[in-house]
Amino acid sequence: DAGITQSPRHKVTETGTPVTLRCHQTENHRYMYWYRQDPGHGLRLIHYSYGVKDTDKGEVSDGYSVSRSKTEDFLLTLESATSSQTSVYFCASTRDGRDQPQHFGDGTRLSIL
Amino acid sequence: KNQVEQSPQSLIILEGKNCTLQCNYTVSPFSNLRWYKQDTGRGPVSLTIMTFSENTKSNGRYTATLDADTKQSSLHITASQLSDSASYICVVSEMYSGGGADGLTFGKGTHLIIQP
Repeated sequence: DAGITQSPRHKVTETGTPVTLRCHQTENHRYMYWYRQDPGHGLRLIHYSYGVKDTDKGEVSDGYSVSRSKTEDFLLTLESATSSQTSVYFCASTRDGRDQPQHFGDGTRLSIL
Repeated sequence: KNQVEQSPQSLIILEGKNCTLQCNYTVSPFSNLRWYKQDTGRGPVSLTIMTFSENTKSNGRYTATLDADTKQSSLHITASQLSDSASYICVVSEMYSGGGADGLTFGKGTHLIIQP
C-alpha cells in the first residue's frame, strides 16, 4: 500500500479560525486528492492535484484552498472555519490518475464549534 | 447527473453466511467500477476494479460482478468473517478525453455487520 499519512488525526477548533490539514505520501504518486465524508453522503471531492503546483477544484471546493509545493505533501486549508465544515477529511493518491485504485489515508476528524 | 446507488444501506448477517451487496449506476460514458472496503475509523481500501470488458473479478472471498448493459454491479462475500464488518463503497469512473483527475462518483456505501 502507498504510505499516506494525515495529520492531525483529530482536531477541535472554533468557528472563524484558520485550519490546515496535511497529507504526506511516500510513494512518489503524481495525483493527490482531498475528500470529505459526511453521514448520508458518499465521499465528495474538495480539490485535487495532478502535480507540483498544479491543482483544480472538485465538487465542494467553496471555503477550501490547497497547496502542493512538493510531490509528497498536499495541504488543505480552511481559511475561516465554519460549523458546516465539521467532517471527516480523507486524502488519497494515485500514481497516474483516476483510472487506478486510490490509496487513502486514515482520515482527519475535524470538529468546528 | 451521474449517480451511484447502493443497496441495502445496512445489513446484518451471521458469521459464516454469504451475502451480496448491490450497486446501480447512471455514470456515462463508463470507464471502470471499483469496490472499496472501509473499516471503522480507517480510510477505504480497494478490493476490486473492473473495466467495461470484465464481468467478474475475485479477491479472496470477495467476488465482484459487472453488467455494463444494465449498469449494475454486485459484491458477493463468501463465508463471512467478523473482520468483514465494515462499510463497502462502490465507485464508478467516467470516461472522457480530458486528462483531469476527477470524474469519480461515490456511492454512500453499505454498512455490513457480521455477528458471531
